[in-house]
Order: sequence, then structure tokens, then C-alpha cells
Amino acid sequence: DIQMTQSPSSLSASVGDRVTITCRASQGINNYLAWFQKKPGKAPRSLIYAASSLHSGVPSKFSGSGSGTDFTLTISSLQPEDSATYYCQQYNSFPLTFGGGTKVEIK
Amino acid sequence: EVQLVESGGGLVQPGGSLRLSCAASGFSFSNYWMTWVRQAPGKGLEWVANIKEDGSEKFYVDSVKGRFTLSRDNAKNSVFLQMNTLRAEDTAVYYCGRGTAGMDWGQGTLVTVSS
Repeated sequence: DIQMTQSPSSLSASVGDRVTITCRASQGINNYLAWFQKKPGKAPRSLIYAASSLHSGVPSKFSGSGSGTDFTLTISSLQPEDSATYYCQQYNSFPLTFGGGTKVEIK
Repeated sequence: EVQLVESGGGLVQPGGSLRLSCAASGFSFSNYWMTWVRQAPGKGLEWVANIKEDGSEKFYVDSVKGRFTLSRDNAKNSVFLQMNTLRAEDTAVYYCGRGTAGMDWGQGTLVTVSS
């Protein structure tokens, strides 16, 4: 199984800050990497697919990059509504696997 | 507008069964893989199972293999998760998603396994 390791597990940043979350796969995943936003009591929200492609309707402040085994999600200017937990997921091979999540809080 | 509506959750005793349903609309259902993920209380997201467009391939996380069965009815734009021999650790909100990695999601249905 492919292990997905996210870091940090949590962070606190100010409104307007640039935030970067990293995700490392235990083996190459051919850029089959997705990023999700999850708020308590809400459905997951798909942000990024294929490592760097933005889903329709997702604001451009979110961006994804990386290849091979190392990937990043960047929020260019953090806003209060971005307070959530963010997860990466590899969909290169079954079983699909998520990272442990990064909880983003606003200072 | 894509809509996914899960139903069928509830309280069940350990060893019991539940059948979750996911009704889809707003897209060509038979052209998409469908996926289920879950989130246990205070825990992260966990992938559960996927089913191919025509139902010919299904994949499961190891912890549910032999207990959960995924199926779909393309005529009714629905996917079903039959959950048998439920355990306390299956307690979670279950979400269905469109596509292999879930480009759209339903609001979820809560499954509680407890005596």
C-alpha cells in the first residue's frame, strides 16, 4: 500500500499569510494526487486533482504542485473561511490512501 | 448541478447490517466511477471502496473486505454499500463521491455501531 505523509499536522497563520502544506508518497504516484478541504459537519470539498489542476469553482488562491513523490498545496492569501483540515489522497493505485490531514487555524 | 444524496445510516448493534444508498443526479452517472469514504469521530478521512462505471470492478480497504459489498444500478443512478458484520470501529460518517477520487460529494450519512 502507498503511504501518504502530510506535514505539518497543524498550523496557525494570520489572515493574508501564504500557507504551504506538504504531502509525501511512499512511492511514485504518477501525479495522481488530489487535495481536499474538510470542515466539521460538512462534506469534503475537492480542491485539486492531478497534483496541480484546480477543480471548477475553486478560487485561484489554492494551488497544487509537485511530482513523483513530493507534493504541496499552497493557499496564497489565507482567509477566515479557509479554516479547515486539508487532506491529500493518492489515486494511482488501490487501496486509495489519504494523508493524515493538516488542520489550518487562523490566528 | 451535481447532487449526491446518501441515506440508510443509523444506529445498529455490533454484528448487524446496514445498507447505504447514494442517489445521484446532474451528471451522466453511468460514465463515472463512484467512491465511498468515511470519517470516524475525531479521525481523518478514510477511503472505503470504489466501483467502476459498469460495476465490473470493485475495490475495498482491507478492513471491510468480506463484510462490505458495493453495487450500483445505473438505471436508477444509484450506488449501494451493503455493510454486514458491523463493528464499533465502523462508526463514522459515510460519504459517497463522484469519480475515482471524488470530484463531488454528498453530505454524508452517520453510521453508529453500538450496543
